[in-house]
Amino acid sequence: ELKVEQNPLFLSMQEGKNYTIYCNYSTTSDRLYWYRQDPGKSLESLFVLLSNGAVKQEGRLMASLDTKARLSTLHITAAVHDLSATYFCAVDSSYGGATNKLIFGTGTLLAVQP
Amino acid sequence: DAGVTQSPTHLIKTRGQQVTLRCSPKSGHDTVSWYQQALGQGPQFIFQYYEEEERQRGNFPDRFSGHQFPNYSSELNVNALLLGDSALYLCASSLIPGTPSSYEQYFGPGTRLTVT
Repeated sequence: ELKVEQNPLFLSMQEGKNYTIYCNYSTTSDRLYWYRQDPGKSLESLFVLLSNGAVKQEGRLMASLDTKARLSTLHITAAVHDLSATYFCAVDSSYGGATNKLIFGTGTLLAVQP
Repeated sequence: DAGVTQSPTHLIKTRGQQVTLRCSPKSGHDTVSWYQQALGQGPQFIFQYYEEEERQRGNFPDRFSGHQFPNYSSELNVNALLLGDSALYLCASSLIPGTPSSYEQYFGPGTRLTVT
C-alpha cells in the first residue's frame, strides 16, 4: 500500500529565508503532484513531476523529483507572507500506467512571519 | 471555459440522513474523481468514474456511492450519515488515464458537509 509522508508538518519561516519541504513515498510511481491549499479553500495545482530528475520552478517555488530515492522536494526561496498556506504532495497510486488515483501526504502548514 | 464546479457550497445534515453532492467537470474532461478531506488532513480518494462506471474505489464503505451522467457530470451520495462524515468533499476532473495530458487534474471548489 502506497504511503506518502511529508515533513515538516509545520514550518514557521521568516520573510526572506529559504527552506525545503520533503515528500517521501513508499512505492514506485509515475507522477507526483504539489498542491497549495488556503484555509477553507480547494486545492491549487502547483507542479506535476513526471520523470526522474524533473525540476520545475514557478516564482519562489521549485520542485524536484528523485524517483530512485522516492523523494520530492519543494524549495522555497526568499519567502514572502503570501506563500503562507498548507502544501500537499500527492502521488499517483500506480506505476507503469497512471490511474489518477492520488494518495496525499499529511500536508505542511507554512507560516511566513514578517 | 468553465472549470470544475461543485454544488452546493455548504450543507448541514443530521445523523442518519442522506446527502447528494454534485460535480461538473472541466470542459473536455471525461473522468471524475471524488475525495474526502477531513479537517487538518490530506484528501482521501473515494472513487473515480469514467463512462458512467465506477473504475476505482478507495477504502470507503458502501454508504458512499456515486453516479456519472452522459454529460460527464457526477454525483456523490452518502447514506446514513455519521458525525465522522463531516468534511470537505472535493471532486477532480481529468481525461481518462492513458490519454495524452491525462496527468492534468483540476479540483473543484469543494462542498463543505457538516453532520450534526
